[in-house]
Amino acid sequence: DTAVSQTPKYLVTQMGNDKSIKCEQNLGHDTMYWYKQDSKKFLKIMFSYNNKELIINETVPNRFSPKSPDKAHLNLHINSLELGDSAVYFCASSQEGGADTQYFGPGTRLTVL
Amino acid sequence: AQSVTQPDIHITVSEGASLELRCNYSYGATPYLFWYVQSPGQGLQLLLKYFSGDTLVQGIKGFEAEFKRSQSSFNLRKPSVHWSDAAEYFCAVGLFPGTYKYIFGTGTRLKVLA
Repeated sequence: DTAVSQTPKYLVTQMGNDKSIKCEQNLGHDTMYWYKQDSKKFLKIMFSYNNKELIINETVPNRFSPKSPDKAHLNLHINSLELGDSAVYFCASSQEGGADTQYFGPGTRLTVL
Repeated sequence: AQSVTQPDIHITVSEGASLELRCNYSYGATPYLFWYVQSPGQGLQLLLKYFSGDTLVQGIKGFEAEFKRSQSSFNLRKPSVHWSDAAEYFCAVGLFPGTYKYIFGTGTRLKVLA
């Protein structure tokens, strides 16, 4: 049983396109996150959601729009993709924020051509 | 400002040798500290965490870490490294409960020589 799953695993697209990444967790956690890992492996938080409500938006361009239809899902939609958006995007979940173990999905490698 | 520093970008050790990965943090309150490991092409997996109590914490795969408040450090150790330990290691600080925010270090890539 996969705790945190993401689809797709790989995404290759052209500049200017719109794409979505889906994330689901079956751990019953209240909090979900999106992280971006760049080519140097630097991991930076993008968004945090708690009980479907946006808690943190770390100065991410508004081309990125997260959506949480329920506590188990957190999707990421990206409009007008740019070359700099190429990265690995990780979804994660935890029961509480800031003090609890995060469980990470396998990542989605986005390549913008 | 809160930050996490992992001074070593790359470390190479021989199989069977001991390992220490360094982590320093900057945070005004009591930190919630984590070490995660990322194998190639995989997500991050928790190795161990420290919230309070005994400053020496044991984790999975034979890893341990020691919290030293006076040095603002949380170094990861393993007495004998196995080839399968080759991976990227991340130290992280969880900010006080309710902020839903974690700060990660830049990672240390471990290479193990046979």
